[in-house]
Amino acid sequence: GAVVSQHPSWVICKSGTSVKIECRSLDFQATTMFWYRQFPKQSLMLMATSNEGSKATYEQGVEKDKFLINHASLTLSTLTVTSAHPEDSSFYICSASRGSGFGNGTRLTVT
Amino acid sequence: KQEVTQIPAALSVPEGENLVLNCSFTDSAIYNLQWFRQDPGKGLTSLLLIQSSQREQTSGRLNASLDKSSGRSTLYIAASQPGDSATYLCAVGFMNYGGATNKLIFGTGTLLAVQP
Repeated sequence: GAVVSQHPSWVICKSGTSVKIECRSLDFQATTMFWYRQFPKQSLMLMATSNEGSKATYEQGVEKDKFLINHASLTLSTLTVTSAHPEDSSFYICSASRGSGFGNGTRLTVT
Repeated sequence: KQEVTQIPAALSVPEGENLVLNCSFTDSAIYNLQWFRQDPGKGLTSLLLIQSSQREQTSGRLNASLDKSSGRSTLYIAASQPGDSATYLCAVGFMNYGGATNKLIFGTGTLLAVQP
């Protein structure tokens, strides 16, 4: 499967600040990446599809102004959680377009 | 809307037992189906990938089957070991954008505990 690197692996931030998470495809060019969110003891929920060079496609119920996605190159997609609140605390995972490569996830804790 | 359900939600077995995890999905127009393992607080490890044209895949002690017509997949684990303890997720794949991508819808997960 594809090799995907996600950074950081964990982050703690204060309420109201913004956090950026990076997802890099290391061994192939990913025109599309996917961002998932996982709350404790729940499964992964698709948040959005990140498209290189164009706007991301968000799933129903996901606020596009809060979760900013940028896919400026074929190897990098970023997810920025803006004005983070404690309810945004979750595990965020990205995957590359072929769906077989996943990042190791980012544990976000908002205090 | 595609829904993916896994039963049981949790399972505890003694070491050495064979076990079956179940996954069902509502829309049979899938591209593939994958089984993943997730350890607590960790990312995903892909275990088996079954294309829509296939009926099963095997890797070591693991065997996964796919029945598209009935919307079901099973993951069979033989001779379970304590190291198999983890959450197992199935994910149904759909093709987007002219066949270039694979969007995954995840199941609810089965938490497996293998007792030594």
